[in-house]
Amino acid sequence: DTAVSQTPKYLVTQMGNDKSIKCEQNLGHDTMYWYKQDSKKFLKIMFSYNNKELIINETVPNRFSPKSPDKAHLNLHINSLELGDSAVYFCASSQGGVAGGRETQYFGPGTRLLVL
Amino acid sequence: GESVGLHLPTLSVQEGDNSIINCAYSNSASDYFIWYKQESGKGPQFIIDIRSNMDKRQGQRVTVLLNKTVKHLSLQIAATQPGDSAVYFCAESSGSARQLTFGSGTQLTVLP
Repeated sequence: DTAVSQTPKYLVTQMGNDKSIKCEQNLGHDTMYWYKQDSKKFLKIMFSYNNKELIINETVPNRFSPKSPDKAHLNLHINSLELGDSAVYFCASSQGGVAGGRETQYFGPGTRLLVL
Repeated sequence: GESVGLHLPTLSVQEGDNSIINCAYSNSASDYFIWYKQESGKGPQFIIDIRSNMDKRQGQRVTVLLNKTVKHLSLQIAATQPGDSAVYFCAESSGSARQLTFGSGTQLTVLP
């Protein structure tokens, strides 16, 4: 069974559309994350939730809105998609019991978003 | 701001040789370090981590060395295999941060 899963794996859409990416983890972790990886492979944290509460919200356009219906799910909704949103988006989770980010994060397979 | 960086963006090694991937960090408060491997088309996968109260940690075919004096971290892979070809990331965290900060990645290519 996949520990951290994301859907869809590929997403091709037109500028201006609204889209969502779903993430689920079956590890029983309390903390979940969204990262954006650009074409140069740089990984940047976008959001972090601990037990459904937002704890990290980096400088991300407010067109991006995370939603956590329960601690096993963290979805990412993107409004009014722009060309620059094209990237690979990774969901991750960690146990959440250790103070700060000092614990192993487990990543999903990624969602490849292409905005045309 | 604080950053985590790698000395070399690409590294090519012969199959069977040892690989060393380096990472420099600038945050003197960093106390947790982790290496990830990302194969093409996949998400980053945990390799090994180390806390600042240690200077060396070994796993299966991998060793992480931490030099806090010069703020340097390295990942050594013994007897490199074709399956080791991937992008390797170092990441760090400090007590006040609630996140990992990732370096820019090194592409390791294993030559036959």
